[in-house]
Amino acid sequence: DTGVSQDPRHKITKRGQNVTFRCDPISEHNRLYWYRQTLGQGPEFLTYFQNEAQLEKSRLLSDRFSAERPKGSFSTLEIQRTEQGDSAMYLCASSLGAGSNTGELFFGEGSRLTVL
Amino acid sequence: AQSVAQPEDQVNVAEGNPLTVKCTYSVSGNPYLFWYVQYPNRGLQFLLKYITGDNLVKGSYGFEAEFNKSQTSFHLKKPSALVSDSALYFCAVRGPSGSARQLTFGSGTQLTVLP
Repeated sequence: DTGVSQDPRHKITKRGQNVTFRCDPISEHNRLYWYRQTLGQGPEFLTYFQNEAQLEKSRLLSDRFSAERPKGSFSTLEIQRTEQGDSAMYLCASSLGAGSNTGELFFGEGSRLTVL
Repeated sequence: AQSVAQPEDQVNVAEGNPLTVKCTYSVSGNPYLFWYVQYPNRGLQFLLKYITGDNLVKGSYGFEAEFNKSQTSFHLKKPSALVSDSALYFCAVRGPSGSARQLTFGSGTQLTVLP
């Protein structure tokens, strides 16, 4: 499968614990995005990378959240000291440079986080 | 700030009938408009986009959408619905530059096509 892959698909954790999600984009895509989706809502933009540079962060991304893309390939999204309000589906998407100018994003199936 | 409204949480249509899923938007400058579809337990899939040019754009699986600048709308349409079209549909908008270049999604419309 050459699509966007995310791991783990499901994570259940206790409040206060740290969690990390990984995203492997389509190999030739230089742009990578993280979105969050809660039940009954559309995806909300969190952050995006062009190669290894994190170029934009949403105000939704509190200081408990950190994202990296160290070699311009896979990315990780870490949430520290999780809260129940962090429970959501975390979506990763990637695109080529041209695609990002036209909004054609390729999404993974998401990582569902449940904070107890 | 840019925004998208999908006024219907749920749309039901009989198989073979035409379908419309509504979307209105707000953005500074010329809009870039998109429709994505989400099937159960699957990631969002791109359906179609409007950037410039003809107001009627055609996309995957026989879907099309009509851009109406005066009404700030971008409704998704299909002449004859299939049961397999049942899914969650998201409209999205982005602006031409700066932070507005990130996609803003609507809350989604659940389409159910009845056999």
